[in-house]
Amino acid sequence: QAQLVESGGGVVRPGRSLRLSCAASGFSFDSFGFYWVRQAPGKGLELVAGISFDGSEKYHGDPVKGRFSISRDNSKNTISLQMNSLRPEDAAVYYCAKALLRWELLSPLDYWGQGTLLTVSS
Amino acid sequence: DIQMTQSPSSVSASVGDRVSITCRASQDIRRGLAWYQQKPGKAPNLLIYAAIGLQSGVPSRFSGSGSGTDFALTISSLQPEDSATYFCQQTNTFPLTFGQGTRLEIK
Repeated sequence: QAQLVESGGGVVRPGRSLRLSCAASGFSFDSFGFYWVRQAPGKGLELVAGISFDGSEKYHGDPVKGRFSISRDNSKNTISLQMNSLRPEDAAVYYCAKALLRWELLSPLDYWGQGTLLTVSS
Repeated sequence: DIQMTQSPSSVSASVGDRVSITCRASQDIRRGLAWYQQKPGKAPNLLIYAAIGLQSGVPSRFSGSGSGTDFALTISSLQPEDSATYFCQQTNTFPLTFGQGTRLEIK
C-alpha cells in the first residue's frame, strides 16, 4: 500500500524560509512524478509544484515561481519543497501527492499525504 | 491557464437520491479530467480519472461522463458517507488546475 508522509510545516515569520519533506513508501518511487498541492483554510486546491519521475522536469506555479523549489532524492524516496521568502498568503496545508500514471507528470493524483500546516505570521 | 468552473457550488440531497455535479473547462481538455472527494480535515481522494475511469476501490455508484469542455460526476444513489466537497481537475495541460469545489450535504 502506497504511503506518503509529509513533515516540516510550522509557524514562520514573513520573509523566512522553510523546507517541507515527503517520505514515500509502498511503490516504485522512481517510476512516478509527484506534486505539492496546497489548500488555504476554507479554500480550494492549488497546485504549487511538480516534478517528473527522474527529476528532469519541474513545474512551479506562478505564485511561487522564483521562491519555491521542488526536488527529489530517488535514493531516499523523498520529495522536498524548499520555500523561501515566505508570505502570509503562502499559509496553507501542504499536501504531497503521487501521480497515478507511471512516467507521466500530466496525470491525476492517486495517493496523498495527510498534509502539513504552514502558518506565516509575524 | 485553463479555468475549471464547477456547478453548483453547493447542493443538498437525500439518501438514495441521484446527484450530478458539473465541471466546465475554459478550453478543450479532451478526456483529461479527474474528480476528487474531500472530507473535512482529510486529503482529497481520487474518484474518477480520464473523465470516465473509476479509480480502484471507489464504489460503483460514482460515475463520470463528458469530454471536451463539459463533464459531470454522478452519484447514482446517495449515501450518508458521500457528504463531502468534490473537486474536478484538468490533467490535459500544465498547470493542472482545479475547480473551486462543490459542497454536497445530506439532508
